[in-house]
Amino acid sequence: QKEVEQDPGPLSVPEGAIVSLNCTYSNSAFQYFMWYRQYSRKGPELLMYTYSSGNKEDGRFTAQVDKSSKYISLFIRDSQPSDSATYLCAMSLGGYQKVTFGIGTKLQVIP
Amino acid sequence: GAVVSQHPSWVICKSGTSVKIECRSLDFQATTMFWYRQFPKQSLMLMATSNEGSKATYEQGVEKDKFLINHASLTLSTLTVTSAHPEDSSFYICSAMPPPGQGAPGGELFFGEGSRLTVL
Repeated sequence: QKEVEQDPGPLSVPEGAIVSLNCTYSNSAFQYFMWYRQYSRKGPELLMYTYSSGNKEDGRFTAQVDKSSKYISLFIRDSQPSDSATYLCAMSLGGYQKVTFGIGTKLQVIP
Repeated sequence: GAVVSQHPSWVICKSGTSVKIECRSLDFQATTMFWYRQFPKQSLMLMATSNEGSKATYEQGVEKDKFLINHASLTLSTLTVTSAHPEDSSFYICSAMPPPGQGAPGGELFFGEGSRLTVL
């Protein structure tokens, strides 16, 4: 079993839709949870960063962490064509421990 | 956000040659940098952790004599792919963590733009 499971997609949605991206994980010791966005042929850029369970909102993006279910989500409201990218979930034990990534979900927002 | 610069962004070389990729943290001193490799439709795979002034720590299955890592200063780490072969063709990405007190406690990573290596 992989430490982090993420559906690779692709996921196609119409412009303006609400997008839900998810990851599950097996290591209950993970404390820090991140979402990265990666455009084609570019390095990932950090979108959201959360600690432990709960919600965090930043503009059109909301990150949710449910540690009891070992499940994290990223919601994108009013999706735009510019949101088309691959979204990678990532998590770590904290401090300077290794960050473990999901495979990434490819999202396409259709105008 | 923090800026990490990676160079070159793409390189094509002949089989048997060596290729060096540079990774620089531009606005913070990074005692720790990480090198990842990404194949199409696959996740980022950590190759090694680069520590300033000491030997890199390689992940299981990564040949340290093939992928030479040097972290000579607090802002520069280099990855050299020695005697490259077509199977080494991949997207190599470096990342850096800000030092304690400057970044998030969980260790958020800032990535370079990546370097696409094609070995003919």
